[in-house]
Amino acid sequence: KAGVTQTPRYLIKTRGQQVTLSCSPISGHRSVSWYQQTPGQGLQFLFEYFSETQRNKGNFPGRFSGRQFSNSRSEMNVSTLELGDSALYLCASSESPQAQTGELFFGEGSRLTVL
Amino acid sequence: ILNVEQSPQSLHVQEGDSTNFTCSFPSSNFYALHWYRWETAKSPEALFVMTLNGDEKKKGRISATLNTKEGYSYLYIKGSQPEDSATYLCAPNTGNQFYFGTGTSLTVIP
Repeated sequence: KAGVTQTPRYLIKTRGQQVTLSCSPISGHRSVSWYQQTPGQGLQFLFEYFSETQRNKGNFPGRFSGRQFSNSRSEMNVSTLELGDSALYLCASSESPQAQTGELFFGEGSRLTVL
Repeated sequence: ILNVEQSPQSLHVQEGDSTNFTCSFPSSNFYALHWYRWETAKSPEALFVMTLNGDEKKKGRISATLNTKEGYSYLYIKGSQPEDSATYLCAPNTGNQFYFGTGTSLTVIP
């Protein structure tokens, strides 16, 4: 069974640009959640999608958005990039919404550098 | 926002030593607690999912306990091996989302 796949793995952008990251969950998983990790911080929850609906959103500005397609693949978009958006963005999939006790399966992340 | 504290931040032990880490979290609104292991250049992987007060889980040389009333969980590694070197994350779940701690970075010296 293929794992969670994130693309691209690395990217460099400049301030003011926008970026789209993609996540393909494990087959059969309908929940996809996104996390941001910056140095010294724990994984910060961005949002979760389940069956194409956003279930929950973390405390991030509106520049961060996402969506989920009918095949459960998800994308997140960050507009008007700022230097502070440089981070590792992790996607995690699970069979059920995060409210349940099933474990999260993580991708290897997309490393974004904003210059 | 849930304040999750993990201690120590980092740990260096000799191969064969046993060690333990702590995860502290507010005891209210508790639904479940997960432990993940994150090796460098890899994805975080689930170790344990714990839900009940007094839960004890074991996987090989690694075990964990949970106290939901006082809001803490311990992770134990018996006879540490170099392959145990990783960052160990705890993540309580309120029923709505996970809140990850900053992790304990373990280095096992051969």
